[in-house]
Parts: sequence; C-alpha cells; structure tokens
Amino acid sequence: KQEVTQIPAALSVPEGENLVLNCSFTDSAIYNLQWFRQDPGKGLTSLLLIQSSQREQTSGRLNASLDKSSGRSTLYIAASQPGDSATYLCAALPSGTYKYIFGTGTRLKVLA
Amino acid sequence: DVKVTQSSRYLVKRTGEKVFLECVQDMDHENMFWYRQDPGLGLRLIYFSYDVKMKEKGDIPEGYSVSREKKERFSLILESASTNQTSMYLCASSEGGFGRELFSLGYTFGSGTRLTVV
Repeated sequence: KQEVTQIPAALSVPEGENLVLNCSFTDSAIYNLQWFRQDPGKGLTSLLLIQSSQREQTSGRLNASLDKSSGRSTLYIAASQPGDSATYLCAALPSGTYKYIFGTGTRLKVLA
Repeated sequence: DVKVTQSSRYLVKRTGEKVFLECVQDMDHENMFWYRQDPGLGLRLIYFSYDVKMKEKGDIPEGYSVSREKKERFSLILESASTNQTSMYLCASSEGGFGRELFSLGYTFGSGTRLTVV
C-alpha cells in the first residue's frame, strides 16, 4: 500500500533563503506526483504536477523534482518570501487508480 | 478560470441534523472526490465518483453518503450529524474516465467547508 511521508512537519526560515521540502513515497508505481499549497483555513492550490516520465517541473521560483527509483520528490523554493508561508502537501497518484495518496504536509514559515 | 465551488465556507449544525455539503465544478471533469482534513490525520477520502450516478467508498465512508445526479455537482450528505464529524471538508475534481490515460491527471480543489457540529 502506497504511503507518502513529508519531513519535516514544520520549518522556519529567514526571508530570502532558498529551501527544499521533501516528500517520500513507498511504491514507485505512480502515474504522477502533485505538490499543493494550503493557506490556513483554506482549500488546496495546485502548484506543480510531475508526470512519472518527467524528472522536474518549474513554475516561477518553484522547482519540483521526481526520482521514482528512490521514491523521492523535492520542492525547491528560491528566494523565499513571507508570502510563501503556508502548508505544502505532496500527493502521489498510484498506477491503476484515480485516488491520490497525500502526505501530512510541511508547515513553512518565512520570517521577514 | 476553471473552478471547483463549495457552497458554504462555514457551517454550524446541531447533532442529529441531516447536513448537505455541495460541490460544483465547471471543468467538465468526470471524477469528483470528497475528503475531510483533520489535524494530525491529513486528508482522508470519504467518497468519490467517476461518473454521473456512480460512486465508490473511500477510506472513511461511515456516517456519510453522496449523490451525483449531474456531472458538475457532487453532494456529500451527513445522514445524522455527530460531533466527531466536525472537520474541514474538501471537494476535488479531476479529468479521466475508463480507458483514458491517467498520467496527466491532477486534482483541482475547492476552497473547503469548515463544519462544526454542536
């Protein structure tokens, strides 16, 4: 059964720092992996989706990588800003299903 | 801009009431999902639907039912609300159906409904 883990659960960094959020999954048979952002009390906003055949995706200051063989994905945030403060969740879509498996998230705080 | 709309941001209901949570998407997506999110437990799938009038149980369906009479609308029903159903409820939709390639699928979420049962 696919399990998705995100470590650390919480992270505080000073403004301007580059940072990496980690996501691990136990079964490499996935269609894709999606990264989301969630602000307090709000829904989830999709940031990046990486298909299983891809190694990385970029959007602005965000870059997500995928290494299926090691069961890892990373979300790189360049030049962090206080507005980046939120919870970041990753979710893997196992092959043969429509249902994503979610990690429990990393709560990021960027200090001004 | 494509959207998933949940009709209520906040709801307060009494124990024993029948509660309806509505979700509408304008993307012509086949799949729709209901999750609940609780601190320390993450997102847990309640029910999903891959077509009109079709539904499947997720991981925690007890105490809930769903209705999908039209493609764009997926309703979550709490038959008799209880305090342990106090939670954030999130609706999502995605493309896809039987026979389609799934590798490009992604979820689009609504803004959530914070339900409190007193």
